[in-house]
Amino acid sequence: SQQGEEDPQALSIQEGENATMNCSYKTSINNLQWYRQNSGRGLVHLILIRSNEREKHSGRLRVTLDTSKKSSSLLITASRAADTASYFCATEGISGYSTLTFGKGTMLLVSP
Amino acid sequence: DAGVTQSPTHLIKTRGQHVTLRCSPISGHKSVSWYQQVLGQGPQFIFQYYEKEERGRGNFPDRFSARQFPNYSSELNVNALLLGDSALYLCASHTYGQDEKLFFGSGTQLSVL
Repeated sequence: SQQGEEDPQALSIQEGENATMNCSYKTSINNLQWYRQNSGRGLVHLILIRSNEREKHSGRLRVTLDTSKKSSSLLITASRAADTASYFCATEGISGYSTLTFGKGTMLLVSP
Repeated sequence: DAGVTQSPTHLIKTRGQHVTLRCSPISGHKSVSWYQQVLGQGPQFIFQYYEKEERGRGNFPDRFSARQFPNYSSELNVNALLLGDSALYLCASHTYGQDEKLFFGSGTQLSVL
């Protein structure tokens, strides 16, 4: 079963704009991770935020985590056409060792 | 360094047949996990292996089985294929523990006709 629910399901923006995706989950977690998937193939890890962290940055990525609301957001600043992909949040439960529960994903389209 | 390799890339089977999918992890990684991704959905956890032992199993029927070999490569077997087994099967290589990121292969696209 899917734990995370991403919002929106699809997002279309212009190059240079910022993209924000949200994720909600249901149970207590060790960490929350974001992955990118191009053209329905393998997923690429983007960033991991632990349950005791509130915000994390990596290059043009900014992730926030609110454990009280069981939600997270991924912000991609100054989007590029190459950022076009599906983005998934995934949670590691408190009893899980590297076992992830993924959401349904957000499809991001960045137009030149 | 070689990434996670999966074979075959694509596979077409008919209902009732069985299939074996293969995965070679990144050198140094002793843990492999398998995920099923149905079109339009996120990946769903099937199995996790560490040091040749099953360490986790998702909500999948007994038709699904897997094993890990001494060189840490892994096979996923699915028997008595159903149309609903059509999906992208992803293998992830990782170290075993909490707060570990997964390295995914490009997947095997299975179509059951």
